[in-house]
Amino acid sequence: NAGVTQTPKFQVLKTGQSMTLQCAQDMNHNSMYWYRQDPGMGLRLIYYSASEGTTDKGEVPNGYNVSRLNKREFSLRLESAAPSQTSVYFCASRAIEAFFGQGTRLTVV
Amino acid sequence: AQKITQTQPGMFVQEKEAVTLDCTYDTSDPSYGLFWYKQPSSGEMIFLIYQGSYDQQNATEGRYSLNFQKARKSANLVISASQLGDSAMYFCAMREGAAGTYKYIFGTGTRLKVLA
Repeated sequence: NAGVTQTPKFQVLKTGQSMTLQCAQDMNHNSMYWYRQDPGMGLRLIYYSASEGTTDKGEVPNGYNVSRLNKREFSLRLESAAPSQTSVYFCASRAIEAFFGQGTRLTVV
Repeated sequence: AQKITQTQPGMFVQEKEAVTLDCTYDTSDPSYGLFWYKQPSSGEMIFLIYQGSYDQQNATEGRYSLNFQKARKSANLVISASQLGDSAMYFCAMREGAAGTYKYIFGTGTRLKVLA
């Protein structure tokens, strides 16, 4: 019973580098979400996917792209990382309550 | 305007006592859901309790209860008989939208410290 799995758990990038955060869930949920968590700001929604094949912008989508590869997987891509994207990233999926991954701590230097 | 407001950045409570964490929300949707999550220092987000906007009774889950006052738009979390392991960050969240287009909005959190 893995739930929601995120990789990697930690990452350091240089400004301008690109990377993809991976997320997979094994609970057959339709909806999946990417959030970022910054001190004093709670969790802010970056993008979400209501179902396979659909994605929508959340509150803070700039600088990110997403792909809903299939029902299980929802990836978040940073094309050109900026220091302002240093954050902890959470992927979530759900039926009623959200199931969260363990988070990815990303530092952009 | 803030949709979810948690006005207590930090709270202390003595072990074995009860504590209330405040949450107010703002929405014009008639159908919504309210949630509380716990985030310990290890970083994971743990679901605690859910209250639907049409639920007549306050939700309870073990030592957690949600004091839902719809007219006041408040959804306070009550933790009874606090334990040292309850020390964590607590987030209130609201689900808006129709099925298939749900979005979660989170408050800024309350850090709870349980004292021995």
